[in-house]
Amino acid sequence: AQSVTQPDIHITVSEGASLELRCNYSYGATPYLFWYVQSPGQGLQLLLKYFSGDTLVQGIKGFEAEFKRSQSSFNLRKPSVHWSDAAEYFCAVGAGAGNMLTFGGGTRLMVKP
Amino acid sequence: IAGITQAPTSQILAAGRRMTLRCTQDMRHNAMYWYRQDLGLGLRLIHYSNTAGTTGKGEVPDGYSVSRANTDDFPLTLASAVPSQTSVYFCASSRDGSIGELFFGEGSRLTVL
Repeated sequence: AQSVTQPDIHITVSEGASLELRCNYSYGATPYLFWYVQSPGQGLQLLLKYFSGDTLVQGIKGFEAEFKRSQSSFNLRKPSVHWSDAAEYFCAVGAGAGNMLTFGGGTRLMVKP
Repeated sequence: IAGITQAPTSQILAAGRRMTLRCTQDMRHNAMYWYRQDLGLGLRLIHYSNTAGTTGKGEVPDGYSVSRANTDDFPLTLASAVPSQTSVYFCASSRDGSIGELFFGEGSRLTVL
């Protein structure tokens, strides 16, 4: 069975600073990988996804992520964080029959002014 | 605005009571899902349905049941609620059962006392 680990439960960055959120997955074959964002009191919204091809994928709101097979990682990055990016971020892996995603525990991002 | 509607938004329930969380989508998506979100555990799949008339068990199905009588509705029932079912429940949908983007409702916060 697949699994996802997000090592950082909380991260605080200053507005304008760069951001990297870590995600490691475990799966025997090529995974489908996702990053979702959850604003307070809201459902989850897809930021970006990786299915195949170019290992650097671009998403919405200026986010990007890089798939590194050798490290089993799919880290999320943003060059300059805005206060509105404060939210919880979830990495997920999809595999097997159906659209059954396995989510990581989430990373809560706080942005200092 | 098209999307997923969940009800109730929040509910406090006595242990042993029966509770149904409602989920309706107007995107004509074939697949629907129920997740529960618990601190530090991310989202865990309870049940899913790839198409009307079919359902399947996810990672944590015990104590929950679902039905999918039509495309739009996917209610989740707790037959006899227990305190460990205190959680935030998210309904989601996707265009079909293959790996792809999930669209989430805004969640139902359930407290079982």
